Amino acid sequence: GDSVTQMEGPVTLSEEAFLTINCTYTATGYPSLFWYVQYPGEGLQLLLKATKADDKGSNKGFEATYRKETTSFHLEKGSVQVSDSAVYFCALNPRGSTLGRLYFGRGTQLTVWP
Amino acid sequence: GAGVSQSPSNKVTEKGKDVELRCDPISGHTALYWYRQSLGQGLEFLIYFQGNSAPDKSGLPSDRFSAERTGGSVSTLTIQRTQQEDSAVYLCASRPRATPETQYFGPGTRLLVL
Repeated sequence: GDSVTQMEGPVTLSEEAFLTINCTYTATGYPSLFWYVQYPGEGLQLLLKATKADDKGSNKGFEATYRKETTSFHLEKGSVQVSDSAVYFCALNPRGSTLGRLYFGRGTQLTVWP
Repeated sequence: GAGVSQSPSNKVTEKGKDVELRCDPISGHTALYWYRQSLGQGLEFLIYFQGNSAPDKSGLPSDRFSAERTGGSVSTLTIQRTQQEDSAVYLCASRPRATPETQYFGPGTRLLVL
């Protein structure tokens, strides 16, 4: 079945450090892939997405590239800020699905220290 | 404009009691989802409403859980005879017809069953 596996947290970094959060998926066909972010006390927000192989999603300095060959969608940022502290969720929507139902990973807690 | 709202934001109840959780989606959004976020777990899909179609209830964990959506807008998730394992954050999301892959999440209702 469709599923997402993402890096276990928590991740603790100093400001301006490089961030990678790994995400791999299992799906039939080629799903659409997403990263959502949940800041403290807030609802989930879409951070970025990619809908086909080799697409790169980007937003707020974050990037993720849809890698079909490795079934991955790793999240990266070159220089994190304290304000990036949040929980990050990788998700997929199976290709051809008209439901829009998302399959989420367990989330990765990121804490950035000044 | 206003986002997805949920009420109450927190709910503490005793085992065996019934609870109702409310979701007000973004005006004009045709689809509405309920997810559950348990401690240390990812987001678990519960139920999906799309327009006047029959809802997809495939994610409901037991027959103690039910949901309705009145007038294509407000939705209520009801949990009967609550159990301690029902303790979680219940998230509602809505999406517009035009961008089926973008879900907008509410802040959630944190349910604690004692």
